Amino acid sequence: QSALTQPASVSGSPGQSIIIFCSGTDTDIGAYHFVSWYQQHPGKVPKLLIYDVTERPSGVSSRFSGSKSGNTASLTISGLQDEDEADYFCSSYTGSDTLIFGSGTRVSVL
Amino acid sequence: EVQLVESGGGSVQPGTSLRLSCAASGFTFSSYWMHWVRQAPGEGLVWVSRINIDGSKADYADFVKGRFTVSRDNGENTLFLQMDSLRPEDTAVYYCAKEMPPIRYPHSWGQGTLVTVSS
Repeated sequence: QSALTQPASVSGSPGQSIIIFCSGTDTDIGAYHFVSWYQQHPGKVPKLLIYDVTERPSGVSSRFSGSKSGNTASLTISGLQDEDEADYFCSSYTGSDTLIFGSGTRVSVL
Repeated sequence: EVQLVESGGGSVQPGTSLRLSCAASGFTFSSYWMHWVRQAPGEGLVWVSRINIDGSKADYADFVKGRFTVSRDNGENTLFLQMDSLRPEDTAVYYCAKEMPPIRYPHSWGQGTLVTVSS
């Protein structure tokens, strides 16, 4: 199964809000409420930011929020900060009980 | 504190096998589903496999079905990934990760072990 589709890069200025979209199909994102988002800084392991489309694990900043419409999920980062500069990956469970990741988006803070 | 430590990576030739291990500590290993995720150098995350708490159910990405086998030893708090018929495209850092119910995604990650497949 192909990776979910994300833009290669998104940028914004400090304090701004940015949105990262993650496009799937009706057999993954569109079919289930099982979308998650990860942040990965260079040389570090991924950190879970969002699960089940909108939920934040304990300790994750409320500046990160998730949503879904049809076959597309989105991650919004509000009040962009320098430390948000990282790679972001969406993921979704599929009908065959597998997990697929997105292609990844590099966020740059201008 | 949750600790996951992968080992077993290395450089191997195409067609050969490798067995990765993930030693778990700081939590009740036998109570958690576990995942393997890989990341080729400079590339994105790719899910490989997951296994349920007693090892009776395992799921795999299509590209490793029939070549990779995930297993676990709850008595030794260790997760395994047996990788056979390795290909150059399997070159990646392999991470093990645990879920954290009700979060059923990889939540806590190890630091990874590098597998390089090259002739």
